[in-house]
This record gives sequence, structure tokens and C-alpha cells, in this order.
Amino acid sequence: DAGVTQSPTHLIKTRGQQVTLRCSPISGHKSVSWYQQVLGQGPQFIFQYYEKEERGRGNFPDRFSARQFPNYSSELNVNALLLGDSALYLCASSRGQGGGSFDTGELFFGEGSRLTVL
Amino acid sequence: GENVEQHPSTLSVQEGDSAVIKCTYSDSASNYFPWYKQELGKRPQLIIDIRSNVGEKKDQRIAVTLNKTAKHFSLHITETQPEDSAVYFCAANNAGNMLTFGGGTRLMVKP
Repeated sequence: DAGVTQSPTHLIKTRGQQVTLRCSPISGHKSVSWYQQVLGQGPQFIFQYYEKEERGRGNFPDRFSARQFPNYSSELNVNALLLGDSALYLCASSRGQGGGSFDTGELFFGEGSRLTVL
Repeated sequence: GENVEQHPSTLSVQEGDSAVIKCTYSDSASNYFPWYKQELGKRPQLIIDIRSNVGEKKDQRIAVTLNKTAKHFSLHITETQPEDSAVYFCAANNAGNMLTFGGGTRLMVKP
């Protein structure tokens, strides 16, 4: 079975531009989460989606938005890019439903999309 | 919200020695504590996890301990090997499956 797949793997943008990152979860997984990992730091939670509904949002500005499609794939959009948005964006899928459920199980991460903002 | 602190930030050990990484968390409602290993340029991969109803869990050379009263948990790697060299992250959950990660520990195992 394929793991979590993300695209693009690398991209370069300039300040003020917009970017869309894509993620396909493991087959059978209904939850997708997005994390931002700045070089040298741990991943930071951005969003979680389950069954196409937003279940959680981290401390990120409104320039960040996401959605989940009927096939459970997801997109992360970032508008008005800043230099500080340069990071590895990780998508993770899980079986669980989130929203306070205890038994949500392991997060499986994709290889990430490395965004560089110039 | 949840705050997770991880120590040390770097750890250098001789091959065959043990390595211990410690984390503390702030939210007493957290009940799931995974550890991830991330090699350079790769994705984080789960190596072991523990839930709040268990005090210790072991998988071959890796073990994790949890002290809910003190709100800390630790990763223990015995008989370290060069391939254990990587960055290790602890994490704790909050509502649902949203994880708060520690800042990471760069483990270097010298042959």
C-alpha cells in the first residue's frame, strides 16, 4: 500500500505569492493533519481534518487555510507568503476521527513539501 | 494549550552506550505520547508510543517511561548503534489527535 503522498516535494516562491500544497492519505485513513516544520525545530500543528470537517486549528494566521475532499485528500493553501513561511510542510494521516477521541492511533507522515520563500 | 519541553537538545554517545531523552508536558489531559525519529531530509517516523494507562513500554532496544503525576516521559535507547543517529522528537496530544512536539534532540552515536 502507498504511504502518505505529498506534492510538490520542493517549490520556490517569492514574497506575496500564494501556494497550494497537496496530500493524499493512506487508503482507509479519514483524517489528515498538516504540520509546519521550520529548520531545526519540531513540527507545529496547523490543521486537522476528519470527514471533510475541520477538527482543529493551530496558532497560525488566517493566511493559512485548508480543506479536505470527498476522497479524503487535502490541500493546504498559504496566501501572501512571507519569508518566515519557509519550512517543510508535513501532511499526516490517521485512521481516527480526532475531535477528542482517545483511540486515534498513529500519525503517518508524508515526506513533506519544502517551501522556500525568497 | 499544551507545551512540551525536551532535553537535551544534542546528545553524543559512544556506540554501545545508552541514551536517554526526557520530555515534560503541561496539559494533564494529554493521554498519548509518541516518539518520532527523523533522519536528515526524511519524514518523522514513529518509533514507539505510550498511552496514559501504561507506565512503561519496551520494544527491543527502545523503551519509554511515563510519569503522569510529574508530567514527564522519557525515551531510553540501549546498546546504541551508528544508525540510531538522528533527531528524535517527543510529542503529546491534546484534543483528538493533534500533537504538540518538543524541540527535538540530535543524537549522535560515535563508532
